[in-house]
Order: sequence, then C-alpha cells, then structure tokens
Amino acid sequence: DAGVTQSPTHLIKTRGQHVTLRCSPISGHKSVSWYQQVLGQGPQFIFQYYEKEERGRGNFPDRFSARQFPNYSSELNVNALLLGDSALYLCASSLAPFRTGSNQPQHFGDGTRLSIL
Amino acid sequence: AQTVTQSQPEMSVQEAETVTLSCTYDTSENNYYLFWYKQPPSRQMILVIRQEAYKQQNATENRFSVNFQKAAKSFSLKISDSQLGDTAMYFCAFMNSGYSTLTFGKGTMLLVSP
Repeated sequence: DAGVTQSPTHLIKTRGQHVTLRCSPISGHKSVSWYQQVLGQGPQFIFQYYEKEERGRGNFPDRFSARQFPNYSSELNVNALLLGDSALYLCASSLAPFRTGSNQPQHFGDGTRLSIL
Repeated sequence: AQTVTQSQPEMSVQEAETVTLSCTYDTSENNYYLFWYKQPPSRQMILVIRQEAYKQQNATENRFSVNFQKAAKSFSLKISDSQLGDTAMYFCAFMNSGYSTLTFGKGTMLLVSP
C-alpha cells in the first residue's frame, strides 16, 4: 500500500509569491495534519483536518491556510511568502484523531522542501 | 502549553553498542501519549515507539525500549545492538489525549559508526 505522498518534492519561490502544497493520505486515513520543519528544529504543527473540517490550528499567521477534499487529500496554501517560510513541510495522516478515542499514530510523508529566495 | 526538551543535540555510538537518548516534557495533563520518531537524512519521519501515559509498563519494540518516568516527566529511548541504519535524527514527541497534534523536541542526531 502506498504511504503518505506529497507533491512537489522541492519548490523554489521568491518573496511575495504564493505556494500550494499537496498531500494524499494513506488509503483509509481520514485525518491529515501539516507541520513545518525549519532546518535544525523539530516539526511545528500548522493544521489538522478530519472529515474535511479543520480540527486544530497551530500558531501560524493567516497567510497559512489549508483544506481537505472529499477524497481526504489536502492542500496547504501559503500567501505572501517570506524568507522565514523556507522549510520542510510535512504532511501526516492517521485513521482518526486521538480525540475520537482510538489510539491512531500519525504517519508522515517525505515532505516538500520549500526554498524562498 | 506542552513543551518537549531534548538536551543532547548529537550522540555517537559504535555498532552493536547500546545508546540512550534523553527527553523531558512539561505538561499539566494526566492523560497523554509520548512518541519517538526517527528521521534518516533526507527521508521521511518514521514512528519508532510509543507510550501511553496511563500504562506503567515501559514500551518495547525489538531493539528499541523506553524508560518512562511519569512523575519526573522523563521519556528516554534506549537502542540496543546499534546498527548503521539507526543513524538518523531522533525526535521525542508529545500528544495530549484530548487532541491529536504532536509537539516535538528539537531532536538528537545519532551517528552509528562501524
């Protein structure tokens, strides 16, 4: 079975531009989370979606937005890119959030490496 | 807010030896989950082991085991019989039982040498 797939693998943008990152969860997984991993740091939570609804949001500005589609894939959008947005963006999927009572770990994709010039 | 601290930026070990990676966390919650993830160079994050806070027994997965000290808020990872393929960045992560988002530490880079 395919794991979590993310596209593109690498992306180079300039300041002020907009970017869309895509994620396809493991088949059967309904929850998708996005994380930003700056070089040398641990990942930081950005968003979580479950059943197409936002279930959690981290401490990121409104330039960051996301959505989940009926097939449970997800997009992360970042507007007005800044140099500080350069990072590895990780997508993780799980069957359901822990909140539902099931002990479901998150499975990560390979990430999209975004470079801002 | 929860915080996770990994105080060892880098660790080195020789093949076949045992190494322990440290992690401490801070939370006011009683029910939560703790994880160790492994991130090899330029590759995806892989779940190594997980521990439910309500379980007193330490989790074990083959060569990987944890020492969970709830009162001390400590969650260390022991890797036995280290292998070259264990070379990676290791992240300790916390998840509150009421939510499903992970809070990560800054990571420990483990280098296993022949």
